[in-house]
Amino acid sequence: DVQLVESGGGLVQPGGSLRLSCEGSGFIFSDYYMDWVRQAPGKGLEWIGRIRNKPANYRTEYGASVRGKFTILRDDSRNSVFLQLNSLIVDDTAVYYCVRSSFKYLSHWGQGTLVTVSS
Amino acid sequence: IHVTQSPSSLSASIGDRVTITCRTSQGVKKDLAWFQQKPGRAPQLLISGASTLESGVPSRFSGSGSGTYFTLTINSLQPEDLATYYCLQVYNYPSTFGPGTRVDIK
Repeated sequence: DVQLVESGGGLVQPGGSLRLSCEGSGFIFSDYYMDWVRQAPGKGLEWIGRIRNKPANYRTEYGASVRGKFTILRDDSRNSVFLQLNSLIVDDTAVYYCVRSSFKYLSHWGQGTLVTVSS
Repeated sequence: IHVTQSPSSLSASIGDRVTITCRTSQGVKKDLAWFQQKPGRAPQLLISGASTLESGVPSRFSGSGSGTYFTLTINSLQPEDLATYYCLQVYNYPSTFGPGTRVDIK
């Protein structure tokens, strides 16, 4: 079975940084594009970005609200994708989901990790 | 691409037919997906390519549409369908979600 397990969430002060991790199992991790999606408390879903696989040169795409602030990385040797969060503000408080993409679609989701930005 | 959904919420009885609408500000061909998110859970992909039901999803769910107008229909609403439903366009970057439709059971 496909499994995605996020980690690294927690409480961080405004202006701080955090690095989220997501480890995949049950599939050939290096074959797939990987996405991140977030959901603020009581709000809807927001697509953060995507990192492609090696054949696509690991190219990345980002949503407008996080471009230049968040960075997606991957390490296929560790079956892992990462989300580097910088210059955090209160509005970045959310559950962050790691998602595996299949043919453009967000087919498998992790359970999410909560990031709280507060002083 | 801006995505809207209607209604924002609805309440229906068991056995009812429910239809949710998704509109995009530009044509996205059939590059649209529907997700179900139950309370406290991660979203689940229901439909891709506007109308292709994902494996394991009950056949009472169906999707249709292309271009800028899409619908998700639940035939014969069941208690376990209590959830928020989101559409997502993947035609171009950045991908964008609709604001969601909350479905309650009367």
